[in-house]
Amino acid sequence: AQKVTQAQTEISVVEKEDVTLDCVYETRDTTYYLFWYKQPPSGELVFLIRRNSFDEQNEISGRYSWNFQKSTSSFNFTITASQVVDSAVYFCALRGAGNNRKLIWGLGTSLAVNP
Amino acid sequence: DTGVSQDPRHKITKRGQNVTFRCDPISEHNRLYWYRQTLGQGPEFLTYFQNEAQLEKSRLLSDRFSAERPKGSFSTLEIQRTEQGDSAMYLCASSVGTGAPGTEAFFGQGTRLTVV
Repeated sequence: AQKVTQAQTEISVVEKEDVTLDCVYETRDTTYYLFWYKQPPSGELVFLIRRNSFDEQNEISGRYSWNFQKSTSSFNFTITASQVVDSAVYFCALRGAGNNRKLIWGLGTSLAVNP
Repeated sequence: DTGVSQDPRHKITKRGQNVTFRCDPISEHNRLYWYRQTLGQGPEFLTYFQNEAQLEKSRLLSDRFSAERPKGSFSTLEIQRTEQGDSAMYLCASSVGTGAPGTEAFFGQGTRLTVV
């Protein structure tokens, strides 16, 4: 069975602090895909990143970075120098290969960045 | 705006009434998904289309739920005889299909359903 665990329900930081959102996944597939989405108060899920299981290279995009470690089945997300606009719920999701197209989601981490 | 569009954004209905939601995917995206999200939860998969074919349907989708994508473009999700437990945000997403399953899905703003 596939499962995504985001152990942190809520995180509160002060602006300019760095923050890491944890994501641990379970799957028996050898090929799979991991995603992070942001859901601001407006409700729309915004795609942030996709990572393929065969590509363990970490990625940096501006203030965002992602650390993918197959050995620990983790795909953590770090925001550097957080800003108030980063306040949102962040979801980690998993999809297997083959014909199974549905995303398996974590429960999300609600991030509040305070001025 | 060329993103995924959902209509209506909000719907309040009385228990027992039927409701229908519409989703217009990104042009040329041949895959379309419906998810449901309740407060404090991640989205739950409901169903998935590739072009006009409904390829997968969750067990969450009872007989009161039906989805269509008649011409492989827009899709509708109908809920018959609504119940209070149907109150949720209904999300539509689309993705391009090239045979590779790893492409990302882009979501609409959702339709928030409240059953009173």
